[in-house]
Amino acid sequence: SQTIHQWPATLVQPVGSPLSLECTVEGTSNPNLYWYRQAAGRGLQLLFYSVGIGQISSEVPQNLSASRPQDRQFILSSKKLLLSDSGFYLCAWSHAVGGHEQYFGPGTRLTVT
Amino acid sequence: AQSVTQLDSHVSVSEGTPVLLRCNYSSSYSPSLFWYVQHPNKGLQLLLKYTSAATLVKGINGFEAEFKKSETSFHLTKPSAHMSDAAEYFCAIGSGTYKYIFGTGTRLKVLA
Repeated sequence: SQTIHQWPATLVQPVGSPLSLECTVEGTSNPNLYWYRQAAGRGLQLLFYSVGIGQISSEVPQNLSASRPQDRQFILSSKKLLLSDSGFYLCAWSHAVGGHEQYFGPGTRLTVT
Repeated sequence: AQSVTQLDSHVSVSEGTPVLLRCNYSSSYSPSLFWYVQHPNKGLQLLLKYTSAATLVKGINGFEAEFKKSETSFHLTKPSAHMSDAAEYFCAIGSGTYKYIFGTGTRLKVLA
C-alpha cells in the first residue's frame, strides 16, 4: 500500500530564516505531487504541483519554491520566511493516470515569529 | 471555470441524528467530485468520490453523497452522527487533469 510522509511535523522559525519541508511517497511510482497551504480558518490553497522529476508548476506567485529531486520526493523551500508564510502545509499525491483522487500527508505546522 | 461552494461554514447536530453537509458545484463538463474530512492538525482523508458512475456514492464511516446534476449539488449525508464525526469537511472538484478546487470547508460539531 502507499504511504506519504511529511517532516517535520511542527516548526517554529524566525522571520527571514530559510525553510525546507520534505515530503516522500512510498509504494507507487511516478506520482503527481502537490503542496498546499492551509491558513487558519481558511480552505486549502494549491501552491505547487509536479507531474515528474524536475517538473514544477507554480500556482501562486509568492515567497516559496518547490523542487522534485527524485520521483517520490517533493521539497518546499524558502530563502527568507515572512510572517504571512505561517500556516499548515500539506503534501498530497495522486496517480499519474486514472482517477483524480489525491491522498494527503499528515501536514507540517509552520509558525513564523 | 469550475468551482464548489460549501453552503454552511458551521453545522451542529446532536449525536444520533442525521448529518447533512451541503456542496454546490459549477462545471461546464461532467465533473469529478470529492468529499474529504480533516481532524484537527491532521491531513485530509478521502471520504468518497464521484466520477460519473452511480449518482449515489457510498464512502467510509457510513457517509454517502448524491450527485444531482439538475441541482448542481453533491451533498454529504450520514444517518446517525457519532462524536468521532466532529471535524472539518471539504468538498472538492477535479479541475483539469491534475488539480482540485476545494470549498472553504464546513466544521461539524456533534453535541452529546
